[in-house]
Amino acid sequence: EVQLVESGGGLVQPGGSLRLSCAASGFTFSSYSMNWVRQAPGKGLEWVSYISSSSSTIYYADSVKGRFTISRDNAKNSLYLQMNSLRAEDTAVYYCAREGIYCSSNACYFDYWGQGTLVTVSS
Amino acid sequence: DIQMTQSPSTLSASVGDRVTITCRASQSISSWLAWYQQKPGKAPKLLIYKASSLESGVPSRFSGSGSGTEFTLTISSLQPDDFATYYCQQYNSYRSSFGQGTKLEIK
Repeated sequence: EVQLVESGGGLVQPGGSLRLSCAASGFTFSSYSMNWVRQAPGKGLEWVSYISSSSSTIYYADSVKGRFTISRDNAKNSLYLQMNSLRAEDTAVYYCAREGIYCSSNACYFDYWGQGTLVTVSS
Repeated sequence: DIQMTQSPSTLSASVGDRVTITCRASQSISSWLAWYQQKPGKAPKLLIYKASSLESGVPSRFSGSGSGTEFTLTISSLQPDDFATYYCQQYNSYRSSFGQGTKLEIK
């Protein structure tokens, strides 16, 4: 059974940092590209970042570029999101999501999602 | 960036009704569109990918259609478990984007 379990969320002051983790199991993690998607309270879904299976290709949304860093450790079956210079508008539930198989040449849908971890940026 | 617009934002319907949700892209995305269902406090669940392909395990009352810039999600006969929020997602561009969501409420 595919499982994605996020951790590392919490309350942080504006300007602070936080590192999110996503532990994957039930599939060959090193074969799949992964993403982070967030959802502000009461709002819709926003794609945040993408990392290819080998970490050779990485993309960010404009809203987090230069502040967030995505990475992965295939030996540990883990995905990470380092978040620096956090702002109030980064407050959201952060989901890690696995890409599906029938993808375009540029991106993909997400067939498995974690349960999410809440990040609250507030003084 | 590609903008995705869903309509309506809220839809009231009854068990047994046939409902349709529309998603429009600001430019052509071919058939690179997915639909998700989300219930309060839960992660989104994939329903449809590549505009009309039903994800394994998803009931056949869900169907998707469209290509280019206009897409629809249809639920043929609403069940109590279907009341939720639905999102479309384009994955034509490397910067994937979602519609704002359609909340399906019980009438």
